Amino acid sequence: NFMLTQPHSVSESPGKTVTISCTGNSGSIASNYVQWYQQRPGSAPTTVIYENNQRPSGVPGRFSGSIDSSSNSASLTISGLKTEDEADYYCQSYDTSIGVFGGGTKLTVL
Amino acid sequence: QLQLQESGPGLVKPSETLSLTCTVSGGSISSRSYYWGWIRQPPGMGLEWIGSFFYSGSTYYNPSLRSRVTISVDTSKNQFSLKLSSVTAADTAVYYCARQLWFEVRNRTLNWFDPWGQGTLVTVSS
Repeated sequence: NFMLTQPHSVSESPGKTVTISCTGNSGSIASNYVQWYQQRPGSAPTTVIYENNQRPSGVPGRFSGSIDSSSNSASLTISGLKTEDEADYYCQSYDTSIGVFGGGTKLTVL
Repeated sequence: QLQLQESGPGLVKPSETLSLTCTVSGGSISSRSYYWGWIRQPPGMGLEWIGSFFYSGSTYYNPSLRSRVTISVDTSKNQFSLKLSSVTAADTAVYYCARQLWFEVRNRTLNWFDPWGQGTLVTVSS
């Protein structure tokens, strides 16, 4: 089964840059598009990146996404961290008619 | 602006059937451009895709839940529903409905959930 693995947690200081990884366990993560969702406590997930590196309108340019085929990983990078970026982040992709989510990464901005 | 709203009982007894409805406003669930899906999140845990459907009647279910899940649609009410049978405490979760974009783009599959409903907590307990 295709699985996406994320670090359980990351932390960084305001103003810094953080990168969250999402690694596929088989096949090529580049075969299908990866999305990234932000989930604040008590709220539903919202999209910050779709199609690997596209930002929906309203998402700041501080958020960017990329794919690294050599490591079979996707990455979400947030620059100029703000305290409001503190949230859980989930990657999501697809495999043979199945939606697949990563386990989520808790971002702490301290 | 498209909005989705989940509704249904917040408490279900073990071995019974969980039933939820998602009401869509600001768009039609009969659209040929979108799928519609259910996702759940146990307390303190991650997201799990449950299943999706297309207006034509095609349905797709998570293999781990397939034997217990049914997704149906009521186009007259612009609603779609989830039924999960033989529930246990492990089915306690916040259940979300979402619009799903699912198509080929440049030889790759885009499978994207957006937007989501606010979610509804269902607790399985006697």
